[in-house]
Amino acid sequence: DAGVTQSPTHLIKTRGQQVTLRCSPKSGHDTVSWYQQALGQGPQFIFQYYEEEERQRGNFPDRFSGHQFPNYSSELNVNALLLGDSALYLCASSPRGFGGGELFFGEGSRLTVL
Amino acid sequence: AQSVTQPDIHITVSEGASLELRCNYSYGATPYLFWYVQSPGQGLQLLLKYFSGDTLVQGIKGFEAEFKRSQSSFNLRKPSVHWSDAAEYFCAVGIITGGGNKLTFGTGTQLKVEL
Repeated sequence: DAGVTQSPTHLIKTRGQQVTLRCSPKSGHDTVSWYQQALGQGPQFIFQYYEEEERQRGNFPDRFSGHQFPNYSSELNVNALLLGDSALYLCASSPRGFGGGELFFGEGSRLTVL
Repeated sequence: AQSVTQPDIHITVSEGASLELRCNYSYGATPYLFWYVQSPGQGLQLLLKYFSGDTLVQGIKGFEAEFKRSQSSFNLRKPSVHWSDAAEYFCAVGIITGGGNKLTFGTGTQLKVEL
């Protein structure tokens, strides 16, 4: 049973560029969340997708956007990259209704902005 | 708004010694509480969770945690630490709304194990 898979694992961008990160949820899960983890910090909630719609959003600017596809996979897009966007981006999946509350995390995409 | 405090940024213990990692939360309702572990370059793995019922919960890898409502705490414990337990540990409070669920994490505690 495959867990949450993310791609790419590492990438380097320059300021002002745009980036797209991808996530496939754990089998049987239909809800996908994205978290940003800056160096030395705990993960911070970006947003959550269910039924192809953004259901909740954390305190992140509109430069951060997402999408969920009919097969439940998801993308995170960040426009006009800033140095401060350098972080590990974690995708998490869960069954709808919180499924007992547990989120299953992928290994993340590490973004470096130069 | 909910928040989680992990007062210890770094902890060093000797292999075989006992361990307690502290976690305090702030949330207006009954919380859903979690402990996750993160090894270098890895994602987060769930150690244990508390939703309701018995306030002492058992998790994987020999870890346990006790929910104390009066102290707003959810401390993680292990009787005997193994070298492989060296990692970063995150406490989180889960919020469930009609719109979905999300976790608020603490800043983490880095555990070092001396052989």
